[in-house]
Amino acid sequence: DAGVTQSPTHLIKTRGQQVTLRCSPKSGHDTVSWYQQALGQGPQFIFQYYEEEERQRGNFPDRFSGHQFPNYSSELNVNALLLGDSALYLCASSISYEQYFGPGTRLTVT
Amino acid sequence: AQSVTQPDIHITVSEGASLELRCNYSYGATPYLFWYVQSPGQGLQLLLKYFSGDTLVQGIKGFEAEFKRSQSSFNLRKPSVHWSDAAEYFCAVGGSGGSNYKLTFGKGTLLTVNP
Repeated sequence: DAGVTQSPTHLIKTRGQQVTLRCSPKSGHDTVSWYQQALGQGPQFIFQYYEEEERQRGNFPDRFSGHQFPNYSSELNVNALLLGDSALYLCASSISYEQYFGPGTRLTVT
Repeated sequence: AQSVTQPDIHITVSEGASLELRCNYSYGATPYLFWYVQSPGQGLQLLLKYFSGDTLVQGIKGFEAEFKRSQSSFNLRKPSVHWSDAAEYFCAVGGSGGSNYKLTFGKGTLLTVNP
């Protein structure tokens, strides 16, 4: 049984560019959450998707947007990248309140 | 607002010694509590969780945690640490219902294990 997968593993972008990160949930999970983990910090909740709708959102600007597809996979989009967006982006899938995390995408903004 | 405090940024123990990592939470209702472990450059692995019932919960890799409502704590313990336990540990609190689905994490405790 495959766990949560994320792509790409690493990404380098320039300030002002846009980026799309992808997540495939664990089999049987219908909910996807996204977190940002800056260096030396705990993960911070960005938003959660359920039934292709954003169900809850954390304290992140509108530059951060997402999407969930009918097969429950999800994308995280970040527009107008800032240096401060450099972080590990984690996707978690769940079917209840227990969240399982993927390996993350390391985004570096230069 | 929910929050988690992990008072110890870095802990060093000798292999074979016992371990206790502290976690204090703030949450307005009955909390769901979690401990995750993260190896360098990796995602988070769930060690154990508390939803309700017995306040002493057992997890993977020989870890356990005790929920103490009166102290708003959920400390993680292991009787004998192995070198492979060296990693960063995160405590998290989640909602027990309603419209709150997010996890709020502490800043983590880095565990170093000396041979």
